[in-house]
Amino acid sequence: AQKITQTQPGMFVQEKEAVTLDCTYDTSDPSYGLFWYKQPSSGEMIFLIYQGSYDQQNATEGRYSLNFQKARKSANLVISASQLGDSAMYFCAMREGRSGYSTLTFGKGTMLLVSP
Amino acid sequence: DAGVTQSPTHLIKTRGQQVTLRCSPKSGHDTVSWYQQALGQGPQFIFQYYEEEERQRGNFPDRFSGHQFPNYSSELNVNALLLGDSALYLCASSLVASTSTDTQYFGPGTRLTVL
Repeated sequence: AQKITQTQPGMFVQEKEAVTLDCTYDTSDPSYGLFWYKQPSSGEMIFLIYQGSYDQQNATEGRYSLNFQKARKSANLVISASQLGDSAMYFCAMREGRSGYSTLTFGKGTMLLVSP
Repeated sequence: DAGVTQSPTHLIKTRGQQVTLRCSPKSGHDTVSWYQQALGQGPQFIFQYYEEEERQRGNFPDRFSGHQFPNYSSELNVNALLLGDSALYLCASSLVASTSTDTQYFGPGTRLTVL
């Protein structure tokens, strides 16, 4: 079974609108972390936001927020007020276990296109 | 604050050859992880180095090997290249002693093409 599932291969949104990118995960470890990365066409993976499994509140970073629903094992990324520069691939990733020698498992990604 | 750097940016090799990719971690980081990203896929973990030792390894053959130097920089070596090794190779650095997220920060990647 896949550990990270991103069911939306592509999403379209108009500039200034909000968009939600879906991510579900599968783990039996009570301690884990969830990450979202943005990958423009240049290739570099840019860290956006992090949510720990024990965090009580949803994470927010500027225009990015993470809708964390632990019981449903979902960690959706919400981008408010989309900008043209937000057009890129977005990857959800999970770290299992406590932080330290952690590795990341990635989903297959969602391509976001923002139109004027 | 210097971010993660990788060299070279692009590389073209032929089957059977060997290749070495290089990575310098973000300032203050001590751990380097390598990932392979095939076209249209998410990155897959290859291995991780800390204190000059391989700490974790993903499901990759022994043709993939690495090294970490005392200054925390790292190399990824791939022997006997196959066409299927064509991919974007990403290096990520983190701080193992981090008590928070140990977020991995990625470099720009090396795009390897095997002909």
